[in-house]
Amino acid sequence: EDQVTQSPEALRLQEGESSSLNCSYTVSGLRGLFWYRQDPGKGPEFLFTLYSAGEEKEKERLKATLTKKESFLHITAPKPEDSATYLCAVLGISGNTGKLIFGQGTTLQVKP
Amino acid sequence: GAGVSQSPSNKVTEKGKDVELRCDPISGHTALYWYRQSLGQGLEFLIYFQGNSAPDKSGLPSDRFSAERTGGSVSTLTIQRTQQEDSAVYLCASSSSGLLATGELFFGEGSRLTVL
Repeated sequence: EDQVTQSPEALRLQEGESSSLNCSYTVSGLRGLFWYRQDPGKGPEFLFTLYSAGEEKEKERLKATLTKKESFLHITAPKPEDSATYLCAVLGISGNTGKLIFGQGTTLQVKP
Repeated sequence: GAGVSQSPSNKVTEKGKDVELRCDPISGHTALYWYRQSLGQGLEFLIYFQGNSAPDKSGLPSDRFSAERTGGSVSTLTIQRTQQEDSAVYLCASSSSGLLATGELFFGEGSRLTVL
């Protein structure tokens, strides 16, 4: 069964303090790994798609990387507006092409 | 509006009542998805519509749940004889192409269902 585990569940950083969020996955065959950001009371907002090990994507202070077992979301010099819940999801070959398997998320709080 | 629109934003109902949740996707998007998010749990896939193809209903938790998409646009998720465990935020998303192309789903803000 495809599974996604994110750690830590919660992370508090000071503004400017860089860190990484982890997404470990077990999937029969990876079609894609996705990162989303979710603000309270809102729907998730797309950040990145990674398709194969070794791939990296960047957007502003965020950088996502992928290995065969996990993905990292690196946050460089975060700002308070980066505070949100970050969700990781995988699309495997065993499911249909609309079924993402989501982790439970990492809630990031960045203090000024 | 330019985004995915869901209604109602909040719904409180009594156990045993039926509820309908509506989703208006982004114009031109052929794919439509329903997920639900329960407290302390991740997003859970419910159903997926792609164009004129038969929907994938493999995520619907019981036969009390059904969904339809009319005219390739608006979708309605119906929950019959609601139970307290149905309480969750029901999220609708749409995309212009399948997940394999970009992975970008556009989510609405959700319908929060509370079953008393």
